[in-house]
Amino acid sequence: KQEVTQIPAALSVPEGENLVLNCSFTDSAIYNLQWFRQDPGKGLTSLLLIQSSQREQTSGRLNASLDKSSGRSTLYIAASQPGDSATYLCAVQAGANSKLTFGKGITLSVRP
Amino acid sequence: GAVVSQHPSWVICKSGTSVKIECRSLDFQATTMFWYRQFPKQSLMLMATSNEGSKATYEQGVEKDKFLINHASLTLSTLTVTSAHPEDSSFYICSAAAAGGSTDTQYFGPGTRLTVL
Repeated sequence: KQEVTQIPAALSVPEGENLVLNCSFTDSAIYNLQWFRQDPGKGLTSLLLIQSSQREQTSGRLNASLDKSSGRSTLYIAASQPGDSATYLCAVQAGANSKLTFGKGITLSVRP
Repeated sequence: GAVVSQHPSWVICKSGTSVKIECRSLDFQATTMFWYRQFPKQSLMLMATSNEGSKATYEQGVEKDKFLINHASLTLSTLTVTSAHPEDSSFYICSAAAAGGSTDTQYFGPGTRLTVL
């Protein structure tokens, strides 16, 4: 059974800092991995999707990497801003049209 | 584009009553919709997958007679929590995958906060 772990559960950083959020998964046979953002009491917004054949994806100040063999992914946020404060979840998909398995998320607070 | 709405955004009900939550894809057709439940500080857990015109597929441990799912059209799926109890209080989120696409890309609704007194 796939398990997705995100540690730590919460993180607080000063504005402007570059930071890395970690995600690990137990079964390396994944189809893809996604990073999502969730604001309090809101739904999810997809940030980046990495296919199993890819090593990384970039969007603006965000860069996600995937090391499938070691079961790890990182989300790098450059020059963090207070508006980046949210919960970041990673999720893996075992195959096309299969379900997403989510981690519990990392709640990020960026202090002005 | 690719907007998914949920209604209501929050609901409070008495124990023993039933509550219906709607999930709509506003600008695309969704062959497949998913229903998730999220408890505080916990991950989203998939409850069921619904395909338009067919019966929903429930995850292990989810009671299909308690959580009724109907996906009658390509833009609407409903989740009815029957005989709700306080332990059903949670954040319910739906997502939709576009017709003709894979479920790689799921568009999530804003969620519905259910509180059962």
